[in-house]
Amino acid sequence: AQSVAQPEDQVNVAEGNPLTVKCTYSVSGNPYLFWYVQYPNRGLQFLLKYITGDNLVKGSYGFEAEFNKSQTSFHLKKPSALVSDSALYFCASPRQSGANNLFFGTGTRLTVIP
Amino acid sequence: NAGVMQNPRHLVRRRGQEARLRCSPMKGHSHVYWYRQLPEEGLKFMVYLQKENIIDESGMPKERFSAEFPKEGPSILRIQQVVRGDSAAYFCASSPPAGGNGYTFGSGTRLTVV
Repeated sequence: AQSVAQPEDQVNVAEGNPLTVKCTYSVSGNPYLFWYVQYPNRGLQFLLKYITGDNLVKGSYGFEAEFNKSQTSFHLKKPSALVSDSALYFCASPRQSGANNLFFGTGTRLTVIP
Repeated sequence: NAGVMQNPRHLVRRRGQEARLRCSPMKGHSHVYWYRQLPEEGLKFMVYLQKENIIDESGMPKERFSAEFPKEGPSILRIQQVVRGDSAAYFCASSPPAGGNGYTFGSGTRLTVV
């Protein structure tokens, strides 16, 4: 089985500061990794994915994520946080290698303070 | 170009009643996934279906819960004899057949058992 872990339940950052939401993975073979965002009372929205290629992946809303094989991490980043970025963020990977169904991390609540 | 459609958005049931949650996948998507989210918790995988087939139901409770994805019509998640602990948000997602592309989520059905 493959999995991801999000070590922080809550991240607070001041508006305009850079933000990082952490994710580590335990995946055999080549990892497929995803980030999703959930706004209040909404479904999850896709932000970005890593399959292969460049370690820095760019996604929606100015977010990017850095794949680090040596640290088995896939942290989500943004250079300058907006109040509207406040939401619940989930990291995910396929439950088994090559599978379609995803295992989601426990989520990190990001609060951007004006 | 509709996304994943879930209905109803909100469902209230008395203990002991049945709840039926519907999910219509995106056009061209033949794979459907159901997840449950309890308040302030992450997403828990329930079941993965293709048309007329259950691929992985390892996350489904052994009793009272069932899911189907018929040849025609939406996928249905059925909860019989609901209890208070079934109160949660139930999200459906869909994907095309090729793996590694992630999901598109619906907006969810919020089930409240009174």
